[in-house]
Amino acid sequence: LAKTTQPISMDSYEGQEVNITCSHNNIATNDYITWYQQFPSQGPRFIIQGYKTKVTNEVASLFIPADRKSSTLSLPRVSLSDTAVYYCLVGSISSGSARQLTFGSGTQLTVLP
Amino acid sequence: EAGVTQFPSHSVIEKGQTVTLRCDPISGHDNLYWYRRVMGKEIKFLLHFVKESKQDESGMPNNRFLAERTGGTYSTLKVQPAELEDSGVYFCASSQDGWAQNTEAFFGQGTRLTVV
Repeated sequence: LAKTTQPISMDSYEGQEVNITCSHNNIATNDYITWYQQFPSQGPRFIIQGYKTKVTNEVASLFIPADRKSSTLSLPRVSLSDTAVYYCLVGSISSGSARQLTFGSGTQLTVLP
Repeated sequence: EAGVTQFPSHSVIEKGQTVTLRCDPISGHDNLYWYRRVMGKEIKFLLHFVKESKQDESGMPNNRFLAERTGGTYSTLKVQPAELEDSGVYFCASSQDGWAQNTEAFFGQGTRLTVV
């Protein structure tokens, strides 16, 4: 299983760009990198997924260097409502099993006014 | 479109009793997953259904846990008898394709189980 390491917590202010980096040194060739967001008393919510280079959607950007041993989730101009726990998951296509996806401890992002 | 729905949202039971959690996935999603977070720990995989078949149940903690998905629609997770260490939040998720294959899994809001 590809283990992920993220900062436990981060603080930011409204309007700033936030970058959360995840380390996954033993990522496998077929693994995708997926980020989820979780608010209190809710289930995790998909944010973005990528395999290499850069992926962007209406919510965030995901930067993946060539060696794929880390990834960075970028949230542009955060607001108070972005306060949540953010999880980085690394999963195997070949197995197709959800057991290969572990949530890790996540990063608690707190956006301050 | 309705999302993944879980019932109940909260359950408080005594040690030794039985509790059944229910998950209604998004219509048309063949893949259904159960996860749980026990207090202070990480979210852990329990099992994965593809339609009515158990694809992977290697995360089930012991034989007190029984998951079913009759007809490949909704799923139930029964804990019998419940122990104190079973307390936590149980999440259900569903996806159209197998997770990690460039697809998205949708989670329910979870069921908070408290065993006293």
